[in-house]
Amino acid sequence: DTAVSQTPKYLVTQMGNDKSIKCEQNLGHDTMYWYKQDSKKFLKIMFSYNNKELIINETVPNRFSPKSPDKAHLNLHINSLELGDSAVYFCASSQRVTGGDEQFFGPGTRLTVL
Amino acid sequence: GQQLNQSPQSMFIQEGEDVSMNCTSSSIFNTWLWYKQDPGEGPVLLIALYKAGELTSNGRLTAQFGITRKDSFLNISASIPSDVGIYFCAGGSDSNYQLIWGAGTKLIIKP
Repeated sequence: DTAVSQTPKYLVTQMGNDKSIKCEQNLGHDTMYWYKQDSKKFLKIMFSYNNKELIINETVPNRFSPKSPDKAHLNLHINSLELGDSAVYFCASSQRVTGGDEQFFGPGTRLTVL
Repeated sequence: GQQLNQSPQSMFIQEGEDVSMNCTSSSIFNTWLWYKQDPGEGPVLLIALYKAGELTSNGRLTAQFGITRKDSFLNISASIPSDVGIYFCAGGSDSNYQLIWGAGTKLIIKP
């Protein structure tokens, strides 16, 4: 059983397109996150949700819109894709909303914008 | 955003050698976490530390929570080829909603 799953694993698309990445966790956790990992491998938090409520919204372009239909799912929609959006996007989850909790990561979605 | 100071940035080691890496911060944390990321995969939690001075082992891995609560180190004993990857430290506190991450230590085994 996969704890945190993401689809798709790879996403190749043209500049200007709109795309979505889906994430699901079966750990029963209350909090979910989206991270962006660039070519230098640094993990940058983008968003977090706790029980469908937005908690963290870092300095991310408005073209990125997270949606949490329930606490087990957190999807990421990206409008008008740009070259600089190319990266690996990770979903993660934790039991609690506070920063001191262990986070569990999905396998990542490698987005390539041409 | 805030980032932990993680060193070294990369390490070339011989199989069988011991490895040590550390993270420091100007802030105090209640939690230190160590993750490993294999190529093409997400970070996997190796060790979680919750108490200043705590020393915890996971097989050949040992990590310590510094007594000042501003640092942590990870040791790997008798390294093997499957230890290659990127190791990340992360610090957390209950007064914050996010983990603060180090930039990673890339471990490479010399052929």
